[in-house]
Amino acid sequence: KAGVTQTPRYLIKTRGQQVTLSCSPISGHRSVSWYQQTPGQGLQFLFEYFSETQRNKGNFPGRFSGRQFSNSRSEMNVSTLELGDSALYLCASSLTGRGETQYFGPGTRLLVL
Amino acid sequence: AQSVAQPEDQVNVAEGNPLTVKCTYSVSGNPYLFWYVQYPNRGLQFLLKYITGDNLVKGSYGFEAEFNKSQTSFHLKKPSALVSDSALYFCAVRLLQTGANNLFFGTGTRLTVIP
Repeated sequence: KAGVTQTPRYLIKTRGQQVTLSCSPISGHRSVSWYQQTPGQGLQFLFEYFSETQRNKGNFPGRFSGRQFSNSRSEMNVSTLELGDSALYLCASSLTGRGETQYFGPGTRLLVL
Repeated sequence: AQSVAQPEDQVNVAEGNPLTVKCTYSVSGNPYLFWYVQYPNRGLQFLLKYITGDNLVKGSYGFEAEFNKSQTSFHLKKPSALVSDSALYFCAVRLLQTGANNLFFGTGTRLTVIP
């Protein structure tokens, strides 16, 4: 069974631009969560989607948004990029998001210049 | 509030020796506990988890962890370290009784196995 895939793997953007990252979960998994990893703040939860609905949200500004499609694929969008948004963005999937193991993708490394 | 602490930023161990990576947690309920490993330029790879039952959990690649409720700890162990175990290890907790699925991660421990 294929793992979680994320595209693109690397991105370079400039301040003020917006960016969209994509995540395809493991087949059959309906819960998708997004995390931000930075050297300073570590791993922080962004949001979780299940059945096309945001079920839970972390403490990030409204510039960070996401959505989930009927095939469980998810996208996250960051508008008006800031230098501090430079990070590794990780997507994780699980069956229903009710305590099962979350399996992570390889991440998208975003550099904001 | 929930939190996870990994008190050691760096752990060095000689190849063949036993290794321990420490994790303590603070939650206001029953936790799910996880260990993940991250290799350079990679995502997180699941090692093992504790939900309920036997306090000793066995996971991938020969790793195991012991859940200690009285000490609120969930230390990761391996009897004999390999050079290939060198990586960044994260402990994480998820609250059992809430509807939230998000994981709270520790700050990570970099394990270096010396040949």
